[in-house]
Amino acid sequence: GAGVSQSPSNKVTEKGKDVELRCDPISGHTALYWYRQSLGQGLEFLIYFQGNSAPDKSGLPSDRFSAERTGGSVSTLTIQRTQQEDSAVYLCASRGDLYNEQFFGPGTRLTVL
Amino acid sequence: KNEVEQSPQNLTAQEGEFITINCSYSVGISALHWLQQHPGGGIVSLFMLSSGKKKHGRLIATINIQEKHSSLHITASHPRDSAVYICAVKYGGSQGNLIFGKGTKLSVKP
Repeated sequence: GAGVSQSPSNKVTEKGKDVELRCDPISGHTALYWYRQSLGQGLEFLIYFQGNSAPDKSGLPSDRFSAERTGGSVSTLTIQRTQQEDSAVYLCASRGDLYNEQFFGPGTRLTVL
Repeated sequence: KNEVEQSPQNLTAQEGEFITINCSYSVGISALHWLQQHPGGGIVSLFMLSSGKKKHGRLIATINIQEKHSSLHITASHPRDSAVYICAVKYGGSQGNLIFGKGTKLSVKP
């Protein structure tokens, strides 16, 4: 596609359930980032994938959060045993090799009841 | 403590006014981004700069490396400019992730 896509656009889940959020980056982009934006807060870095290198997981808030990127393209962010404080908009961005500019997806709004 | 500070936090302007949003950061960076987030949540990258000045339409972004400061200017503001404007920096030693300011919420009244 022409841009970064994310699915679902909205997800409502019950506390304790696991959720998976998907990101389809721009074709050919080797770098992929996950961020989240909690209500009233700024954007927060979660995890970064660059090609075949080990991901930078330094932003993941707890071991309930994990992400993978299969085949260097699609990425899935998994949150296990969701808590109410996990409610946020989860944004994905991708970046090509030539420029430093990141292109953002529309985000997934996660609500944990 | 947020390493990227934006001001003002909120800004209300009348249509046609010249608008300035400021961003300051604490250590050397390799790039600074200005992003626009619309009420629906979508984020658009406006500028990426590491020195000097860039212009796109009514938007101008400047950066002063020595003062660790950047400004985003909007000339002849319009209600459709209403959005949250976010400054984000990439520090030289980082692998690429951005550090974000908390954003400036701009509302332009007709």
